[in-house]
Amino acid sequence: AQSVTQLDSQVPVFEEAPVELRCNYSSSVSVYLFWYVQYPNQGLQLLLKYLSGSTLVKGINGFEAEFNKSQTSFHLRKPSVHISDTAEYFCAVSDRDTDKLIFGTGTRLQVFP
Amino acid sequence: SQTIHQWPATLVQPVGSPLSLECTVEGTSNPNLYWYRQAAGRGLQLLFYSVGIGQISSEVPQNLSASRPQDRQFILSSKKLLLSDSGFYLCAWRGDTIPNSPLHFGNGTRLTVT
Repeated sequence: AQSVTQLDSQVPVFEEAPVELRCNYSSSVSVYLFWYVQYPNQGLQLLLKYLSGSTLVKGINGFEAEFNKSQTSFHLRKPSVHISDTAEYFCAVSDRDTDKLIFGTGTRLQVFP
Repeated sequence: SQTIHQWPATLVQPVGSPLSLECTVEGTSNPNLYWYRQAAGRGLQLLFYSVGIGQISSEVPQNLSASRPQDRQFILSSKKLLLSDSGFYLCAWRGDTIPNSPLHFGNGTRLTVT
C-alpha cells in the first residue's frame, strides 16, 4: 500500500524568501506524484505532476518539484514566495495500476509581509 | 469545458439526522468519481470512488454510504449523522481511467454536526 508523509504541518516564511515543502512517499511499485494547492474554503487545484522523464518538474505559479527515487521524495520549491501563495499544499501519490490518489496530511504555508 | 458542482456549500445538521450531499459533473462522460473528507490535521481521506454507474468502492468503514444513480452524479449519504462526521467533504472527478490524469475538485461542502 502507498502512503505519503508531509513532515511539516506549517511553514511560516517571509515574502520573497525561498521555500521548500517536504514530501516523502512509500510504495512498492512505480508511482505518479502530484502537488495540489488549496485556498481557504475551496477545492484543490493541481500545481504540478511527475509521471516520468525529467526528475525536475515545473508547475504553475513559479513552483517546481524534484523527484528523487533513491530518497523516495518529491519536495516542492519556490525561489521567492508571494503573500498570495499562502494556502495549504498537499502531496499525493497514485500507483500505475489503480485509480486511487492518496494524499498527505498537508502543509500550511503562511507568507508574511 | 468540464465543470463540477457540489452542494450545499455549508451544512449544519444535528446528531442522528440524515445526510445527502450531491455532486454532478458536466462536459464529460463516464468519469471516475471520488468523495474525500478533510478533517483538521488529517489531510484528505478517500471515502468512496466509482468507475461507473452503480459501482462504488468503499475505502474505510464508516457511517456513510455513496451512490451513483447516473453517469455524472455522485451522492454521499448517511442515515444517522455522528459528531465525528463533521468535516469538509470534497467531490472530485478524473477524466479517464489512466492514473496519470489529475483529479478535478469541487469547492467542497463544510458539514458541521451539532
